Amino acid sequence: EVQLVESGGGLVQPGGSLRLSCAASGFTFSGYAMHWVRQAPGKGLEYVSALSNNGVTTYYANSVKGRFTISRDNFKNTLYLQMDSLRADDMAVYYCARVGVNSELDYWGQGTLVTVSS
Amino acid sequence: SYELTQPPSVSVSPGQTARITCSGDALPKQYVYWYQQKPGQAPVVLIYKNSERPSGIPERFSGSSSGTTVTLTISGVQAEDEADYFCQSADSSPTWVFGGGTKLTVL
Repeated sequence: EVQLVESGGGLVQPGGSLRLSCAASGFTFSGYAMHWVRQAPGKGLEYVSALSNNGVTTYYANSVKGRFTISRDNFKNTLYLQMDSLRADDMAVYYCARVGVNSELDYWGQGTLVTVSS
Repeated sequence: SYELTQPPSVSVSPGQTARITCSGDALPKQYVYWYQQKPGQAPVVLIYKNSERPSGIPERFSGSSSGTTVTLTISGVQAEDEADYFCQSADSSPTWVFGGGTKLTVL
């Protein structure tokens, strides 16, 4: 069974940092691109970042470029999102999602909440 | 920046047909994917590549496209279909984007 489990969310002050993790199981992690998607409270979905299966090709939304870094450890079957210089508008539930064979986001984690507040 | 436009809300009675549209300039050249999200849950993919349905998704969900608009059709709407629906696509950069979402209310 495919499972994606996010962790690392929590309360952080503006300007602070957090590192999110997404532990994958039930599939060959190194064979799939992965994405981070976020959802602010009561709002819609927003793409954050994407990473190719080999960790070489990255994508960042303009809103996080230069502040967030996506990475993966294919030996640990884990996806990461390093978030620096956090702002109030980064507050959201962060989901990791697998990119399926048809480019759909076919499996999602349950999400981890990031709260940015002083 | 590239945008996808959805109606904020759609309301239908049980058994009727709901149609949710998604518009974007790049849609004639890019595939659209549809996701359903119920409160407190992660999204679930309903349609991929404009009109294909993953295994396990009921046949009442279908997708179609025409020019710059794609449509998610839910035939014979059931109470359990009340949820938020998001379209997703990309431009050639690639820049991935979601539509703003449509809240489906089953009256």
